[in-house]
Amino acid sequence: DTEVTQTPKHLVMGMTNKKSLKCEQHMGHRAMYWYKQKAKKPPELMFVYSYEKLSINESVPSRFSPECPNSSLLNLHLHALQPEDSALYLCASSQGLNRGTEAFFGQGTRLTVV
Amino acid sequence: GEDVEQSLFLSVREGDSSVINCTYTDSSSTYLYWYKQEPGAGLQLLTYIFSNMDMKQDQRLTVLLNKKDKHLSLRIADTQTGDSAIYFCAEGVLNRDDKIIFGKGTRLHILP
Repeated sequence: DTEVTQTPKHLVMGMTNKKSLKCEQHMGHRAMYWYKQKAKKPPELMFVYSYEKLSINESVPSRFSPECPNSSLLNLHLHALQPEDSALYLCASSQGLNRGTEAFFGQGTRLTVV
Repeated sequence: GEDVEQSLFLSVREGDSSVINCTYTDSSSTYLYWYKQEPGAGLQLLTYIFSNMDMKQDQRLTVLLNKKDKHLSLRIADTQTGDSAIYFCAEGVLNRDDKIIFGKGTRLHILP
């Protein structure tokens, strides 16, 4: 099983809503990532969790709050977003670069903020 | 610094070979990846190469790495219409907290 599963696939939310994006993998990977991708742009790294601890936060605004409840799950909690936060949010996992292997991506959640 | 550069567009006739090029700046890069992204979809890992390798072949895909020039290429033999997508080059650097840096992506367009 080399699958990273993201839910929901599509999400429309208002600027006052609170919602969560979910990501799951069962490959035993110890590093999990959130990326944001705007149309026709490369993915931009937001957060990295390594062994369930936040190891990188790329100066992401606090309206995005990541959570790693266990080694298989990664959440991204959203609150008070702006229309410019509309994008494809991609989750990925890997064994961790220090273990030397590739990263697998989910299909993404397409988020629209209205 | 960390930077990955790719040309933005490539047009190739169906049946010909496509060659997508990438340059990177970090000499401590350890893994170099090629991802494919079709419209509206996530990133699909196509192949990757460890930095102590020169070449890797996997069916229609050939990756060449020139470590001295920090140049990576992806060759797709017998290009098909299903190969039409954006191809992202990415580098992973050891001792950088599992960070993966992406290029801007090359849009491959297949001509009939």
